[in-house]
Amino acid sequence: KAGVTQTPRYLIKTRGQQVTLSCSPISGHRSVSWYQQTPGQGLQFLFEYFSETQRNKGNFPGRFSGRQFSNSRSEMNVSTLELGDSALYLCASSPVDRVRGAEAFFGQGTRLTVV
Amino acid sequence: EDKVVQSPLSLVVHEGDTVTLNCSYEVTNFRSLLWYKQEKKAPTFLFMLTSSGIEKKSGRLSSILDKKELFSILNITATQTGDSAVYLCAVILISGGGADGLTFGKGTHLIIQP
Repeated sequence: KAGVTQTPRYLIKTRGQQVTLSCSPISGHRSVSWYQQTPGQGLQFLFEYFSETQRNKGNFPGRFSGRQFSNSRSEMNVSTLELGDSALYLCASSPVDRVRGAEAFFGQGTRLTVV
Repeated sequence: EDKVVQSPLSLVVHEGDTVTLNCSYEVTNFRSLLWYKQEKKAPTFLFMLTSSGIEKKSGRLSSILDKKELFSILNITATQTGDSAVYLCAVILISGGGADGLTFGKGTHLIIQP
């Protein structure tokens, strides 16, 4: 079974630009969550999508947005990039049965550097 | 505000030692606690704990949850250099909509010296 796939793996952008990151979950998983990881703040929850609907959102500005497609693939977008957005962005997928709070499986992440 | 605190933040031991990593939490609507190992990029799942006092075990790793005192420990016995990693603790909360974003601690950076 293929794991969670994130593309691209590395990205360099300049301040003010926007970026789109992609995540393909494990086959059969309908929940996709996004996290930002920085040395200072650790892993922080951005948002979660289930069946194309955003179900939960972390404490991030509106410049961070996302969406999920009918095949469960998800994209996140960051507009008007700031230096502080440099981070590892991780995507995690979870099985259909969310009632049990099942474990999340992470992708390798996209390393975003804003210069 | 929901909070997950891990200690120590970093730990250096010698191969063969036993280590205990701690995770305490102050959250509302607790559902489960998870442990992950992060070596380079993708955190890999270790354990999910939902009930108090039931030890989960996988090889040299074991973990237990205390819901009364709001903490969990992760034990690693007979450590090997391959155990060097950041160990992350995360909490799943129950929410009205069923959405379960993970709240992570800052992690414990474990270094095993040969």
